[in-house]
Amino acid sequence: EDQVTQSPEALRLQEGESSSLNCSYTVSGLRGLFWYRQDPGKGPEFLFTLYSAGEEKEKERLKATLTKKESFLHITAPKPEDSATYLCAVLTGANSKLTFGKGITLSVRP
Amino acid sequence: EAQVTQNPRYLITVTGKKLTVTCSQNMNHEYMSWYRQDPGLGLRQIYYSMNVEVTDKGDVPEGYKVSRKEKRNFPLILESPSPNQTSLYFCASRRIPNTEAFFGQGTRLTVV
Repeated sequence: EDQVTQSPEALRLQEGESSSLNCSYTVSGLRGLFWYRQDPGKGPEFLFTLYSAGEEKEKERLKATLTKKESFLHITAPKPEDSATYLCAVLTGANSKLTFGKGITLSVRP
Repeated sequence: EAQVTQNPRYLITVTGKKLTVTCSQNMNHEYMSWYRQDPGLGLRQIYYSMNVEVTDKGDVPEGYKVSRKEKRNFPLILESPSPNQTSLYFCASRRIPNTEAFFGQGTRLTVV
């Protein structure tokens, strides 16, 4: 069974304090890994797709990386508006199933 | 605007009263799915559809039905809702199976 573990569960940062969110996975046949941002009471919003180990994607203060066992979402100099829950999901199988981690709740204080 | 639209956004109902949550996408996406999100459990897939008239069970299908008669619509049906189906529900669509999913705004369902 595919497993996705995100850590830490919650993270509190001071504005400008860079950090990384971890997503580790145990799957048979990774076809892709996705990062999403979710604001309270809203649907997840797509951030990045990574398809192979060594791949990196970057957007504004966020950078996602992928290895054969885990992915990191690096946040550089975060701002209060980056406060949200960050979800990662792995894509596997002939049925293209997305398995989500439980998410990391990020709080950035001004 | 490209979007996935769910209705209703909020619903309070009683045990056993059949209900339907609608989902529609305007992006001509092939793949659609339903998830429920519960505290401490994350997003779990209920049903998915790889194309019109093709649907299959996800991880937590018990108590739910779906249909895909048209490409754009993928309704979720609860024939006899029970309190353990109280949850936040999301519909999602993907252009093709290995691309990113676009999510609806969510439907918060309470069954009393």
